[in-house]
Amino acid sequence: SAVISQKPSRDICQRGTSLTIQCQVDSQVTMMFWYRQQPGQSLTLIATANQGSEATYESGFVIDKFPISRPNLTFSTLTVSNMSPEDSSIYLCSVEVGTYGYTFGSGTRLTVV
Amino acid sequence: GDSVTQMEGPVTLSEEAFLTINCTYTATGYPSLFWYVQYPGEGLQLLLKATKADDKGSNKGFEATYRKETTSFHLEKGSVQVSDSAVYFCALGVTGGGNKLTFGTGTQLKVEL
Repeated sequence: SAVISQKPSRDICQRGTSLTIQCQVDSQVTMMFWYRQQPGQSLTLIATANQGSEATYESGFVIDKFPISRPNLTFSTLTVSNMSPEDSSIYLCSVEVGTYGYTFGSGTRLTVV
Repeated sequence: GDSVTQMEGPVTLSEEAFLTINCTYTATGYPSLFWYVQYPGEGLQLLLKATKADDKGSNKGFEATYRKETTSFHLEKGSVQVSDSAVYFCALGVTGGGNKLTFGTGTQLKVEL
């Protein structure tokens, strides 16, 4: 399976600011997925990032709020923009690896104050 | 659309007790089924998976069988340990082609001495 390095692991941010989360994969992958896990909730897909094209966002998520970059086949970033306390969540990136299935990064625990 | 329903938690057991966490699903096509585990303060780890009907996934003493006739993928363990305390997520996805995972709401397990 692939190994994903995600950073930062946690951060406390002021409302109105932005945070960029990075995910580095140790192998080339076509698709990368970004999920949000709100406190006590399950995971919700934010968007799917394909190298060389714009990310595809799920209903309820917009590019202005969650811009994503995918400059190559091993790296992606998710920015949480103009943050409010409601954005306090764990953000996780994920990739699909052949028949193994899906591997997740260790997550970024974001607290907005 | 696809959906996953898990039993609500928290589930509290004594060490060495038998564990069952129920999971049922609704899906079009023939998805793979997964159980992920999230230990406190950590990201998601794949616990086990099954890719077709009647497959049994197993890992670390946990088992789950892909039951197409009952659309279920219940997680079982014969003797739980304190170290098994975590949140368990059932998920489905069609592997290949960059498809997303659909998660259940998660079930928190607490194992006490």
